[in-house]
Amino acid sequence: AIRITQSPSSLSASTGDRVTITCRASQGISSYLAWYQQKPGKAPKLLIYAASTLQSGVPSRFSGSGSGTDFTLTISCLQSEDFATYYCQQYYSYPPITFGPGTKVDIK
Amino acid sequence: EVQLVESGGGLVQPGGSLRLSCAASGFTFSSYWMSWVRQAPGKGLEWVANIKQDGSEKYYVDSVKGRFTISRDNAKNSLYLQMNSLRAEDTAVYYCARDPTYYGYPHFDYWGQGTLVTVSS
Repeated sequence: AIRITQSPSSLSASTGDRVTITCRASQGISSYLAWYQQKPGKAPKLLIYAASTLQSGVPSRFSGSGSGTDFTLTISCLQSEDFATYYCQQYYSYPPITFGPGTKVDIK
Repeated sequence: EVQLVESGGGLVQPGGSLRLSCAASGFTFSSYWMSWVRQAPGKGLEWVANIKQDGSEKYYVDSVKGRFTISRDNAKNSLYLQMNSLRAEDTAVYYCARDPTYYGYPHFDYWGQGTLVTVSS
């Protein structure tokens, strides 16, 4: 199974900050990577797929980059509604589909 | 509007069974791969199983193979997860999720609200 790691596991930031979250796969996954946002008690929401394609309706302050084993989710100007947990997910090879352990973004 | 509504969760004893359902609306259900994804309390996301549009292909995470069965009824726009021999570690919120890719490169653009399964004596 392809293992996914994320860093950091948590971070504290202020509104307006630029935030970067990293995802690393245990082997190359081309661009078969998605990013999700999850708020407490809610279902995850798809933000980005194919490593860098913004899902319809997602604000342009979210962006993704990378290919192979190393990927990044960037929030260019953090808004209050962006405080949440973020997960990456590989879909290059399955079963199993695997998710990263998550990065919690909270208020500094 | 795409909607996925799960039901069937609850409290069950270890070794027991439960059947989850997911009612889909607002899209052509028979055109999409579908998945179940779970989340244990305070933990991350874990993919459980998926099923092809016509039900001819099904895949599972190793930890549920032989115990869980995913199925679908396209006439009823419904997805199911039959869970047998339940264990404490199966305790989680179970989400059904839609895969927007026809050929099954599964990421998930729509999710249900989830249904909680608690396995405890």
